[in-house]
Amino acid sequence: EVQLVESGGGLVQPGRSLRLSCAASGFTFDDYAMHWVRQAPGKGLEWVSGISWNSGSIGYADSVKGRFTISRDNAKNSLYLQMNSLRAEDTALYYCAKDTAITISSLFDYWGQGTLVTVSS
Amino acid sequence: DIQMTQSPSTLSASVGDRVTITCRASQSISSWLAWYQQKPGKAPKLLIYKASSLESGVPSRFSGSGSGTEFTLTISSLQPDDFATYYCQQYNSYQWTFGQGTKVEIK
Repeated sequence: EVQLVESGGGLVQPGRSLRLSCAASGFTFDDYAMHWVRQAPGKGLEWVSGISWNSGSIGYADSVKGRFTISRDNAKNSLYLQMNSLRAEDTALYYCAKDTAITISSLFDYWGQGTLVTVSS
Repeated sequence: DIQMTQSPSTLSASVGDRVTITCRASQSISSWLAWYQQKPGKAPKLLIYKASSLESGVPSRFSGSGSGTEFTLTISSLQPDDFATYYCQQYNSYQWTFGQGTKVEIK
């Protein structure tokens, strides 16, 4: 059974940093691209970032480019999102999502339950 | 960026009704469109990919159609478990974008 478990969310002040993690199990992690997708409270879904199986291809939404960094550790079956210079508009539930392909196709067939990031002073 | 626009934003329907949700892309995305279902407090679930292909395990009352810029999700006979919010998503070109969602409510 595919499982994606996010962690690392919390309350953080504007301008500070936070690192999210996603622990994957139930599938061959390094056979798939992975993504972060977020959802602000009461709002829709926004793709944040994606990374191919070998980290050779990485993409970011314009809203986070230059502030967020996605990475993965295939030996640990883990995905990460380093978030710097956080803003109030980054407040959201952050989902880890599995791609259906080894490269970034951005079709998401499994999602975690999310970790909540709240940016507020 | 490609903008995805869903209509309606909210839909009130009864069990057994046929329901159709429309998604329009601001430019052609061929058939690179997916539909997701999200229930309150839950993660989204993939229903349809490549505009009309049913994801494994999804009931056959769900169907998708369209290509280019106009797409539809149809639920042939609405069931109690189907009351949820539905999102379309284009995966034709970076940056990948979602529609704003359509909430299907009980009438």
